[in-house]
Order: sequence, then structure tokens, then C-alpha cells
Amino acid sequence: AQKITQTQPGMFVQEKEAVTLDCTYDTSDQSYGLFWYKQPSSGEMIFLIYQGSYDEQNATEGRYSLNFQKARKSANLVISASQLGDSAMYFCAMSLRKGTYKYIFGTGTRLKVLA
Amino acid sequence: DAMVIQNPRYQVTQFGKPVTLSCSQTLNHNVMYWYQQKSSQAPKLLFHYYDKDFNNEADTPDNFQSRRPNTSFCFLDIRSPGLGDAAMYLCATSRGDYSYEQYFGPGTRLTVT
Repeated sequence: AQKITQTQPGMFVQEKEAVTLDCTYDTSDQSYGLFWYKQPSSGEMIFLIYQGSYDEQNATEGRYSLNFQKARKSANLVISASQLGDSAMYFCAMSLRKGTYKYIFGTGTRLKVLA
Repeated sequence: DAMVIQNPRYQVTQFGKPVTLSCSQTLNHNVMYWYQQKSSQAPKLLFHYYDKDFNNEADTPDNFQSRRPNTSFCFLDIRSPGLGDAAMYLCATSRGDYSYEQYFGPGTRLTVT
């Protein structure tokens, strides 16, 4: 069964420190994409970063990087130098080449950045 | 520049009174989605369209209907809203390729009184 698991319901991090949000996935497909989205309290889902299943290098976008360990089926998000504005809900998601255009979401991690 | 637009941003309706939420996109994406999201939960897919092809999730209540009259617009109709339908409703689009992200609108927060 296709599934995304986020085991951290909530996390705290001190401002300017780095934080890792965990995500594991389950699929037997070889072709898939992994995504992270940020959802502030306003409600809009903001795309952060993408990792393809065939990408050999970890994706990076500014302060965001994705630690992709294919054998372990994990796709952890690393936020460096946390800022107060990073306080939000973070969702990991997966799409499958054979997945009829659907995206599978994890349950999310609520991150709170402390001043 | 807004790419996925949802109207209204906030909607209050009475129990049992039909309501329509709208979504439009300027991205010309093939696929449009409607999600329901309750507080601190993952978005729950209600349905999606690939062009005019409609795909209903098995657990989407019959109370929820959708229309996509053209590429740009998609509507969510709730025929008889119950208190349990109060939620954030998110519209999203995608290119229809698994290696591209979804684009989300700002959402419509529905209150049922």
C-alpha cells in the first residue's frame, strides 16, 4: 500500500538552529516523486522542495534540503538557520507515475520556532 | 500573480443550505483537485479532474458534487451542509506529471451554523 508516515506531530526548535522533520514512505513503484509543503496558519499550502526517485543528489532550495535515503525509504526535510516565520505545519507528500495523478499526504508535523 | 484563486475566502452557510465554492487557475493545468482539511489534519482528497474526466474518491459523501465547465474553473457544491462539513476547502492544480508539484489556492474556510 502507498503510504507516507510522519511520526513527529510537533517539534520545537530554537531560532537560528537547524531542524530535521522526518518522513518515511512506502511504495513498490520505482518511479515516484517526494514533496514537502509548508502550511502557515493562514491555510495556504506552499511548495518547498521536490525529490525524484531517480535523483542521485539530495535536493536543496535555499535553507531547505531534503535528505533522501532511498534504501531506507526516507525523505527528511532539513531546515537550516530556523526563523520565526518557519513556524507552521509541514506535510510530506508522494506522487506515483502510476498513481492516477493523486498525491498522498502524511499527517504533518507542526513546527514551532522559539525566539 | 495569483495562479490558483479561490472564492470566497470565507463562507458561512446555514445547516442544510446549499453552498458553492469556486476555484479558477491561470496555469492551464490539466488536473484540478478538491481537498477537505479539518484542523491540524492532512488534506483529504474529495475528487479530481483530468481535463473533463471526473474521479471521485470512494469515501467522498454523496453530499459533495463538483463541476468543471472548462480548463480554468472548477466548482465544489455541497448540497446539504452539515455541521461536520465545516472545514477548510483547498483547490489545487497539477500538470498531470508525477514529477511536478501541486499548486494550491489560498483555501475557503467554510463555517456551518
